[in-house]
Amino acid sequence: AQSVTQLDSQVPVFEEAPVELRCNYSSSVSVYLFWYVQYPNQGLQLLLKYLSGSTLVESINGFEAEFNKSQTSFHLRKPSVHISDTAEYFCAVPSSNTGKLIFGQGTTLQVKP
Amino acid sequence: DVKVTQSSRYLVKRTGEKVFLECVQDMDHENMFWYRQDPGLGLRLIYFSYDVKMKEKGDIPEGYSVSREKKERFSLILESASTNQTSMYLCASSFGPGELFFGEGSRLTVL
Repeated sequence: AQSVTQLDSQVPVFEEAPVELRCNYSSSVSVYLFWYVQYPNQGLQLLLKYLSGSTLVESINGFEAEFNKSQTSFHLRKPSVHISDTAEYFCAVPSSNTGKLIFGQGTTLQVKP
Repeated sequence: DVKVTQSSRYLVKRTGEKVFLECVQDMDHENMFWYRQDPGLGLRLIYFSYDVKMKEKGDIPEGYSVSREKKERFSLILESASTNQTSMYLCASSFGPGELFFGEGSRLTVL
């Protein structure tokens, strides 16, 4: 069965610094990958997704993630974070058995002024 | 835009009470889901539904039941609430496999 591991539970970073949130998944025949973001007191919303094609995908607010098949990773990066990026970030992959999304444990990004 | 609405943002209930959490989506999605979110555990799937009157157990269905009488509405029921069911509950819907659209969550406290 598929599994998702987010290696960091909390990532503190200063404003305008770069950040990387790590995500590894167990291998499968086909892979779709997702990053969701949850701002304080809100539900989750899709940040970006990889379905096929270019291994580098981007969001509208400056985040990007790269699908690395050999390392079974889908790390999320941003070259310069803002206070407003403070949120919890979840990596997700569909189960190979059921197709349902399996979520990682989440990473809390804390951007400090 | 897809909108998923959960009826209550915050609830406080007593042990043994019956609890209903309602969820409505307005985009005619076939699939609807109930997740539970706890710190350090991420999101865990409780139940999901592919169609009206259809339901399937997720990873942690014990202590919960669901109802889907209409396509747009998916209810989560706690027959007899317990303190270990204190959590954030998230409803989601989707058209097909992959992207989920979430409600804002219902934070339940069981005393």
